[in-house]
Amino acid sequence: GAGVSQTPSNKVTEKGKYVELRCDPISGHTALYWYRQSLGQGPEFLIYFQGTGAADDSGLPNDRFFAVRPEGSVSTLKIQRTERGDSAVYLCASSLNHKETQYFGPGTRLLVL
Amino acid sequence: AQSVTQLGSHVSVSEGALVLLRCNYSSSVPPYLFWYVQYPNQGLQLLLKYTTGATLVKGINGFEAEFKKSETSFHLTKPSAHMSDAAEYFCAVTEYGNKLVFGAGTILRVKS
Repeated sequence: GAGVSQTPSNKVTEKGKYVELRCDPISGHTALYWYRQSLGQGPEFLIYFQGTGAADDSGLPNDRFFAVRPEGSVSTLKIQRTERGDSAVYLCASSLNHKETQYFGPGTRLLVL
Repeated sequence: AQSVTQLGSHVSVSEGALVLLRCNYSSSVPPYLFWYVQYPNQGLQLLLKYTTGATLVKGINGFEAEFKKSETSFHLTKPSAHMSDAAEYFCAVTEYGNKLVFGAGTILRVKS
């Protein structure tokens, strides 16, 4: 079946702009996660959804970052007033429920100039 | 708080040689442990996982890992390296089955 998909695969923006990153989870997966992977580092947790609600947003670095999952399926990660330090690969993962294996998408590579 | 330490940011082995990638974790409760592999410009792929039960876990592509509670370790091994094993490997831990905490990764190079 189809895996986790993320769009766009690459995004180049200018400092101060707003960006949206989209994640389509595996059908039927109730849990959805966002991670950020900076160059040379392992992925770092940002936020986790169980259904439509954010069950844990402790990894969001500041209030410029926000994520939604209005219908319990597709999720959008929103970054306001982007900074050069936001440049990274943003990974999405989904799982059947929060105790099951997380399956990762290919990521969106964000470059802030 | 959970944490993962991967010893060696780069490991180089000859084709056919043993692969050993080291992972130590810190967790206040019995952990779930994972190894993921990342090929260039691709997403993370699960190699294997430990949740409960047998401490020696077998995964895909001939890899296995052993959970050693006394050593807080979950090292990844493969008896004979293949050129296609060249990739970056991440060890991860979760305590309550939700967010994963990853190590910094180990890049495996396989020499012919």
